[in-house]
Amino acid sequence: AQSVAQPEDQVNVAEGNPLTVKCTYSVSGNPYLFWYVQYPNRGLQFLLKYITGDNLVKGSYGFEAEFNKSQTSFHLKKPSALVSDSALYFCAVRDITTDSWGKLQFGAGTQVVVTP
Amino acid sequence: GAGVSQSPSNKVTEKGKDVELRCDPISGHTALYWYRQSLGQGLEFLIYFQGNSAPDKSGLPSDRFSAERTGGSVSTLTIQRTQQEDSAVYLCASSLLVAGGDTQYFGPGTRLTVL
Repeated sequence: AQSVAQPEDQVNVAEGNPLTVKCTYSVSGNPYLFWYVQYPNRGLQFLLKYITGDNLVKGSYGFEAEFNKSQTSFHLKKPSALVSDSALYFCAVRDITTDSWGKLQFGAGTQVVVTP
Repeated sequence: GAGVSQSPSNKVTEKGKDVELRCDPISGHTALYWYRQSLGQGLEFLIYFQGNSAPDKSGLPSDRFSAERTGGSVSTLTIQRTQQEDSAVYLCASSLLVAGGDTQYFGPGTRLTVL
């Protein structure tokens, strides 16, 4: 079975400091990994994804994520956080070896709070 | 171009009533997905449609839930005899294909409140 874990309910960071949001996954086959962000009362907004190839993936708004197969992790990073990055972040995985492979399995979400 | 749109944005209903939620996917997208977001359960997959293939209904929580997609475009999620535990935000997404790395783009959601 596929699963995604986001071990931190909330991450607090000062503006200008590096931001990291952690994600680990468990799938049977090769993973397809995604990060989404959700602002209050809005839908999910796609940030970036890992399919294959380079382990460092660059996405929208200065975010990047590093795929680590040995640690089964896909942590989201931003070198210098902005107050406007305060939002709820979701990691998701798709396992194409399962019967219901079209769906995304989401983590519980991590609330990011960036203080001025 | 236009993104995924959903209507209504908010729906308040009484327990036992039926509700219909609508999703308009991005033009040209062949795949359409429904998810539910609630405080207790997080983000849950409900159902997805892929072109003309039979939908994957494996995430529907009970037979009170059904969905259809007409003409390969607009989709309607119907909840019959609503219960208070159905209160949640219902999110629709679409993607160009159903492929491993294909990106799902989400609409703003419909917030359903069952009194």
